Amino acid sequence: SQQGEEDPQALSIQEGENATMNCSYKTSINNLQWYRQNSGRGLVHLILIRSNEREKHSGRLRVTLDTSKKSSSLLITASRAADTASYFCATSRGGFKTIFGAGTRLFVKA
Amino acid sequence: DAGITQSPRYKITETGRQVTLMCHQTWSHSYMFWYRQDLGHGLRLIYYSAAADITDKGEVPDGYVVSRSKTENFPLTLESATRSQTSVYFCASRVDRDTEAFFGQGTRLTVV
Repeated sequence: SQQGEEDPQALSIQEGENATMNCSYKTSINNLQWYRQNSGRGLVHLILIRSNEREKHSGRLRVTLDTSKKSSSLLITASRAADTASYFCATSRGGFKTIFGAGTRLFVKA
Repeated sequence: DAGITQSPRYKITETGRQVTLMCHQTWSHSYMFWYRQDLGHGLRLIYYSAAADITDKGEVPDGYVVSRSKTENFPLTLESATRSQTSVYFCASRVDRDTEAFFGQGTRLTVV
């Protein structure tokens, strides 16, 4: 079964608006990662947040982690058309495996 | 070129044929992974490897075989392709356990 599940499955917003995607997971983790996938391409790593961190920023990206609720959110501020992609969360429990969710498809309208 | 490359990018094969998808990375990362991506399922882990000659099953290993005789290569073989193995396959590598993964561009495999 999937460890991480993203919500919503799809999101459509106007350029300049903020986009928020959520990820829930089931078991304890060492870290949680967010990836972006443009259509027809491989996944690209965006940000990694460790279990002892609550918030992390990278440019227009803000990630939060709530281990008590087993959830994370990815906020993209001032979105651009180029942000149109699928976004995946992935969890690692300290072993070799990284398990991915089904992803959120983000469409940013110009 | 530095990075992780997959070949071929596209492949059409017939049911019952053996197919090998190649993955090569230039970083000497210890960990390598094979995922398949299907609509509605996201990415599912097929096999992974922690080092040369060390491999283990992921979530959906049936019908697949891997080997890792050299650190930089991690081929995935479909022993007898089935239509249900039509998918996009991604290879990834990591330098260590809890670090970011680097993905190849993917191989789109169609089994007819």
